[in-house]
Amino acid sequence: AQSVSQHNHHVILSEAASLELGCNYSYGGTVNLFWYVQYPGQHLQLLLKYFSGDPLVKGIKGFEAEFIKSKFSFNLRKPSVQWSDTAEYFCAVMENAGNMLTFGGGTRLMVKP
Amino acid sequence: DTGVSQDPRHKITKRGQNVTFRCDPISEHNRLYWYRQTLGQGPEFLTYFQNEAQLEKSRLLSDRFSAERPKGSFSTLEIQRTEQGDSAMYLCASSSTGAGSQPQHFGDGTRLSIL
Repeated sequence: AQSVSQHNHHVILSEAASLELGCNYSYGGTVNLFWYVQYPGQHLQLLLKYFSGDPLVKGIKGFEAEFIKSKFSFNLRKPSVQWSDTAEYFCAVMENAGNMLTFGGGTRLMVKP
Repeated sequence: DTGVSQDPRHKITKRGQNVTFRCDPISEHNRLYWYRQTLGQGPEFLTYFQNEAQLEKSRLLSDRFSAERPKGSFSTLEIQRTEQGDSAMYLCASSSTGAGSQPQHFGDGTRLSIL
């Protein structure tokens, strides 16, 4: 069974700081990778996804993630965070021929104004 | 807003009671998923429908849990003889079919509290 690890449970940053959230997965086959964000009081929303092709994917609100196959990683980055990025971020993996998402435990990001 | 809709938003019940939740997916989506999320954890997959057919079930879905999607549109998730450990957020998601994997769109969830 696959598993997803998000190493940072809580991250506190000041506005304009750079962000990198780690995500590693355990499945050895072909995968599709996702980052979801959950703003306070809202539902999970898709930030970005990787299916194939360029391993550097760009999502909404200035976020990007890089798929490094050799490291089984899909880290999320943003050069300069804003207070409005305060949210919980979830990495998720789906086997290429599968349908279920396997989520990491989430990283709670707080951005101080 | 034509996103995924879940009802009720909150449910409080006594241990041993039965509860039923409803999910209305995005109208053109033929795939529907149920997940469960407990405090401090990411969502965990429960089950998945394509149209009215239930194609996959997690081992988390004990025999007290049953999900249906009778007409391939809305779905219900019933929990019989609820237990304290059933307290969680129950999330529904939907997606379309197409080449490759399609992203899943989530509803606001139903928060279940067992007294």
